[in-house]
Amino acid sequence: GAGVSQSPSNKVTEKGKDVELRCDPISGHTALYWYRQSLGQGLEFLIYFQGNSAPDKSGLPSDRFSAERTGGSVSTLTIQRTQQEDSAVYLCASSGGGGRGTDTQYFGPGTRLTVL
Amino acid sequence: QKEVEQNSGPLSVPEGAIASLNCTYSDRGSQSFFWYRQYSGKSPELIMFIYSNGDKEDGRFTAQLNKASQYVSLLIRDSQPSDSATYLCAVNVYSGGYQKVTFGIGTKLQVIP
Repeated sequence: GAGVSQSPSNKVTEKGKDVELRCDPISGHTALYWYRQSLGQGLEFLIYFQGNSAPDKSGLPSDRFSAERTGGSVSTLTIQRTQQEDSAVYLCASSGGGGRGTDTQYFGPGTRLTVL
Repeated sequence: QKEVEQNSGPLSVPEGAIASLNCTYSDRGSQSFFWYRQYSGKSPELIMFIYSNGDKEDGRFTAQLNKASQYVSLLIRDSQPSDSATYLCAVNVYSGGYQKVTFGIGTKLQVIP
C-alpha cells in the first residue's frame, strides 16, 4: 500500500477484555515497530520485527502484551486482560530494514485505545 | 543517562526567527540520525535524516551532526506558526542485520506570531 495502515483507528474496551491491534506495513518493508504513546508523553518502544522474527521485544511492558507478524507483512499486537493504564495511542512504523538509506521509519495513523 | 536526550521544552521563538533544537546520544556506534515532527494528535512524520558529520540542508531545515560530541541538532529558519509541533530526535544503531532505534522524548516548539 501507499503507507502504513492500522486498524481499528479507535478502540474502547472494558477492563479485563482482550484486544487485538493490527498493522499493515508499507509493501516490501521488512522491519516493523510497535510503539505506545500516552497523552503528552514520548514514544515508548514495545517491539521490533525483522521479517517474522522479533529480535527485540524488550519494550513489552508485561506478559499481557504479545505480538506476532506473519508472512513478513501484517502484524498484530494483542493485549490480554486490559487495564486502564493500557490506555494510549499505539503506533506502528515500518522501514526497509537494511542499513543506512533504508532505515527511515514511516508511521501509521495509530490506534487510540481506551480502557474503561 | 538516557540513550537519547532532548529538552522537552517548550521552546518559544517569534515568527521569522531561527529555532534551534538539540539532541545528544550516548551510543558511539550510532549510525543514522533522524528528526521527526509530530503535530498534536497526529503521528510522527520524517523531516530529515543525516548520516555523516556536518550539515545537511533541506529548504528551511538544516540538520547538523557532530559524532565526536555525540550531538545532533535541527535548525529551522524563518520559523512559521505552522512549525509549532513536537520534534523528535531518533538514533539508529545497525548491527548484525538488526536495527535498534531509540527516540528522544521530543522538544515542543511554539512559534509565536
